[in-house]
Amino acid sequence: EAGVAQSPRYKIIEKRQSVAFWCNPISGHATLYWYQQILGQGPKLLIQFQNNGVVDDSQLPKDRFSAERLKGVDSTLKIQPAKLEDSAVYLCASILNLSGDTQYFGPGTRLTVL
Amino acid sequence: QKEVEQDPGPLSVPEGAIVSLNCTYSNSAFQYFMWYRQYSRKGPELLMYTYSSGNKEDGRFTAQVDKSSKYISLFIRDSQPSDSATYLCAMRENTGFQKLVFGTGTRLLVSP
Repeated sequence: EAGVAQSPRYKIIEKRQSVAFWCNPISGHATLYWYQQILGQGPKLLIQFQNNGVVDDSQLPKDRFSAERLKGVDSTLKIQPAKLEDSAVYLCASILNLSGDTQYFGPGTRLTVL
Repeated sequence: QKEVEQDPGPLSVPEGAIVSLNCTYSNSAFQYFMWYRQYSRKGPELLMYTYSSGNKEDGRFTAQVDKSSKYISLFIRDSQPSDSATYLCAMRENTGFQKLVFGTGTRLLVSP
């Protein structure tokens, strides 16, 4: 079974530029999560999708961050414009259904904002 | 105060030692407790999953939950250099949305 795929793995941009991350969850997984992990901290949930609908985006900075999962499969997370404090690893995770036990994580995209 | 507190370490031990990792939490509604292992430049992977209070053992790993004290632990017996990683505790309420709250992670270094 293929795991959660993310791209790119690394991205370096200057502040005020825009950036986009892509995630392809495990096949058949209905629920998809985006997390932000700042160096030395645990992952913090940004947004949760159930199929192509948003379940929770309470911690997403909506003035600069946006995310979509148009066909209920893969997802993109965008930052526009980026700030220095957005430097972090952006993790995507998926789970088969909400009664399941395990969120499977991708390898993450490491973003550096200069 | 953070919902979940975890000592960031690093914790350095010799090979073969017993390792104890801990988290405390403040939200009494948390019912599910997990430990994830994260190697450098990798995503977290689930190690142990416990519902409510009690102990759970899986090979060299034992997870303990004490809800009365709001305290969870992960014990690693006969630690190996390959156990060197960051260990994240995570927990969630008994709702339908599987929203996890993570600790900061403890970095463990096992020296040969």
